[in-house]
Amino acid sequence: GNSVTQMEGPVTLSEEAFLTINCTYTATGYPSLFWYVQYPGEGLQLLLKATKADDKGSNKGFEATYRKETTSFHLEKGSVQVSDSAVYFCALRVDSWGKFQFGAGTQVVVTP
Amino acid sequence: NAGVTQTPKFQVLKTGQSMTLQCAQDMNHNSMYWYRQDPGMGLRLIYYSASEGTTDKGEVPNGYNVSRLNKREFSLRLESAAPSQTSVYFCASSEWAGAGEKLFFGSGTQLSVL
Repeated sequence: GNSVTQMEGPVTLSEEAFLTINCTYTATGYPSLFWYVQYPGEGLQLLLKATKADDKGSNKGFEATYRKETTSFHLEKGSVQVSDSAVYFCALRVDSWGKFQFGAGTQVVVTP
Repeated sequence: NAGVTQTPKFQVLKTGQSMTLQCAQDMNHNSMYWYRQDPGMGLRLIYYSASEGTTDKGEVPNGYNVSRLNKREFSLRLESAAPSQTSVYFCASSEWAGAGEKLFFGSGTQLSVL
């Protein structure tokens, strides 16, 4: 079956530090990969996505590259801000009418 | 631009009580989903509806029922609530445009079962 594994949190960083959140997956077929972000008290919202191998998704200074050879989709940001404090979820989807599979989520706390 | 609307936002139930969580989307999406979110476990799929008139079980369907009332609305019912169903519930929807099509989430329902 399909599964997503992401690093456990919480990850605590100082403002302007470099952030990496690891995500690896197993899937039948060729999935699309996503990062969602959940701010306190809100629903999840799409941060970025990649639909095929070697694609790079980017948004709001965050980037992730679809690596088929290592089955990974690690999220990175070069300089985090306090406003980036949130829970980040890695997810995959194999087909257009199928189910999304989410990782457990990684809480990121950025301190001033 | 409402997107996905869930009601209620908060609910407290006693063990054995029943309730229905309502969800509606105004984006003309075919697929709708119900997830629960528990600490350390991420989002787990309860039920989903790939299209109007169809529903399928997800990872954790026990104790829940769903109804896809029409293309817009997808409700989740707890017939006899249990403390293990204390969680945050999210409704979501998506289109069929391809596997890369994203999910749109509601703002969630925080449910406590005493």
